[in-house]
Amino acid sequence: AQSVTQPDIHITVSEGASLELRCNYSYGATPYLFWYVQSPGQGLQLLLKYFSGDTLVQGIKGFEAEFKRSQSSFNLRKPSVHWSDAAEYFCAVGAQDSSYKLIFGSGTRLLVRP
Amino acid sequence: DTGVSQDPRHKITKRGQNVTFRCDPISEHNRLYWYRQTLGQGPEFLTYFQNEAQLEKSRLLSDRFSAERPKGSFSTLEIQRTEQGDSAMYLCASSLEGLRRGYEQYFGPGTRLTVT
Repeated sequence: AQSVTQPDIHITVSEGASLELRCNYSYGATPYLFWYVQSPGQGLQLLLKYFSGDTLVQGIKGFEAEFKRSQSSFNLRKPSVHWSDAAEYFCAVGAQDSSYKLIFGSGTRLLVRP
Repeated sequence: DTGVSQDPRHKITKRGQNVTFRCDPISEHNRLYWYRQTLGQGPEFLTYFQNEAQLEKSRLLSDRFSAERPKGSFSTLEIQRTEQGDSAMYLCASSLEGLRRGYEQYFGPGTRLTVT
């Protein structure tokens, strides 16, 4: 069965520092991969997605992610974090069936130090 | 585009009571999904509709749960005889149909249920 692991429950970075959030997936074939962000009281917002092609994917709000098949990873990065980036980040894999349902990791909470 | 809306945003109920939540998807989206999110966890799939047809239900959806989408527009999720373990955030999402568009799901703000 497909699964997603986000090994870091919390990450704290200083404003202006770079960020990398880890995501590992379990699936034999090419997965469909997503990163969502959830701010308090808000629904989940799609940051970026990977279906195929270029393994470096650009998203909204200055985020990018790199698909590495050899490591079964899809890590999220941002070169310079802003205080408004503090939120919960979820990595997800799309089920490989006609439901298109998403299978989420347990999330990483990002705290930003001023 | 007004986005996905959910009502109510918060619901506190006593154990054993029935509750119903509503989701209004983006108007042109024919797929609608329900997920449940417990504290410290990511959302878990419950069920989904394509137009008015409910096509899949997760094993998480016990017999006490029922979902409908009567005219292929809004959807309701009812929980009968609530239990404390039902306390969670219930998220609704909608999407268009199709291999890539189906995965691009737009989420509502959720309904937070607390069972006392």
